[in-house]
Amino acid sequence: DTGVSQDPRHKITKRGQNVTFRCDPISEHNRLYWYRQTLGQGPEFLTYFQNEAQLEKSRLLSDRFSAERPKGSFSTLEIQRTEQGDSAMYLCASSPKGQGANTEAFFGQGTRLTVV
Amino acid sequence: AQKVTQAQTEISVVEKEDVTLDCVYETRDTTYYLFWYKQPPSGELVFLIRRNSFDEQNEISGRYSWNFQKSTSSFNFTITASQVVDSAVYFCALSERGPIIQGAQKLVFGQGTRLTINP
Repeated sequence: DTGVSQDPRHKITKRGQNVTFRCDPISEHNRLYWYRQTLGQGPEFLTYFQNEAQLEKSRLLSDRFSAERPKGSFSTLEIQRTEQGDSAMYLCASSPKGQGANTEAFFGQGTRLTVV
Repeated sequence: AQKVTQAQTEISVVEKEDVTLDCVYETRDTTYYLFWYKQPPSGELVFLIRRNSFDEQNEISGRYSWNFQKSTSSFNFTITASQVVDSAVYFCALSERGPIIQGAQKLVFGQGTRLTINP
């Protein structure tokens, strides 16, 4: 198992363009999370999937953001009409099904987005 | 609201010194989990430890140890005999149970402490 994989690792885009990131979780993990981390800050929760169902979205996720996990495996995060404030590291994590929060989340290496 | 505070933004020590990273949390949940993650320059968050709110026993793993004190809402992390490879940003985090599905691990992170170990 290669762990959580994110693609691309780096993305530079012009303001106003759309971008899409992909996350491949650990294969047997049914829970998938997206976080955003700005420079010098800790990660902030964006959204959560259990299998293909998106069960929770943060208020940080404006209507320009959309996430999908169509077959309960990989997930995509799309940002439309990017703004400079969207520049950040976007982290994906996955965890197996378990009771309570007694299973740790495994994080990918992230996609660093720079909006110029 | 749940909150994690890591008051130390940066710490710099000389190799072989012991160093303690502080973490203070706020939550109204009676059941919660606390975590420490390490983020090396590569960017990937590496899981170090999970502790549930009912287990206040301190834990030691090699050069790492954790001190959980519910009375002061603190979960401090100590590295003994630090090494250059310990240099990284360390995050303390608190699990926030998802409102719909029990067990969803939505983490609330502190701002992180950048630890530099100098040779």
